[in-house]
Amino acid sequence: GQNIDQPTEMTATEGAIVQINCTYQTSGFNGLFWYQQHAGEAPTFLSYNVLDGLEEKGRFSSFLSRSKGYSYLLLKELQMKDSASYLCAGSSGGYQKVTFGTGTKLQVIP
Amino acid sequence: EAGVVQSPRYKIIEKKQPVAFWCNPISGHNTLYWYRQNLGQGPELLIRYENEEAVDDSQLPKDRFSAERLKGVDSTLKIQPAELGDSAVYLCASSPGQAGETQYFGPGTRLLVL
Repeated sequence: GQNIDQPTEMTATEGAIVQINCTYQTSGFNGLFWYQQHAGEAPTFLSYNVLDGLEEKGRFSSFLSRSKGYSYLLLKELQMKDSASYLCAGSSGGYQKVTFGTGTKLQVIP
Repeated sequence: EAGVVQSPRYKIIEKKQPVAFWCNPISGHNTLYWYRQNLGQGPELLIRYENEEAVDDSQLPKDRFSAERLKGVDSTLKIQPAELGDSAVYLCASSPGQAGETQYFGPGTRLLVL
């Protein structure tokens, strides 16, 4: 099985940078997803990390350390529309089962 | 390209009544997932299909929940009888080939059991 941990809530200021951390404990780990979910909407894909290191996609970057069981999502130049829940999800096993964390609710304030 | 389609979007029923949800995945996507998401929680996998075969239903409460994916395309999820604790959003997702790939989610069905 998998155990995914991430903070419940975070608040950050418009224009700033915020880092959302995720730790996982899993056997047969394959990779780690980040999804964004606005209130009342479905999750949408942000990133998938398999190898160690940082992957950048515009204002969003995702980092993975397989040896530490740790990942983070970095959001730069925060905008009000970035207010959402950010879900960390681990893929494990031969069947690549994906298990979601509870999500981090990010509030961006002016 | 059309996304994942789900219906109905909202459903209100009384406890002990049956309810069914329908999902049409993205065309060509072989893998289909049903999730349940409670308020303030992440999605919890109920069942995963590879084509028409259910390959992971370990978290599906089989005493009251059932699912099918005829012909490996559309899928239905049924609850009979519904309980108060079943109130949640039921999300359907699909991915192109194998599990572990990016999942594309539908808008979900919000179920309220009274």
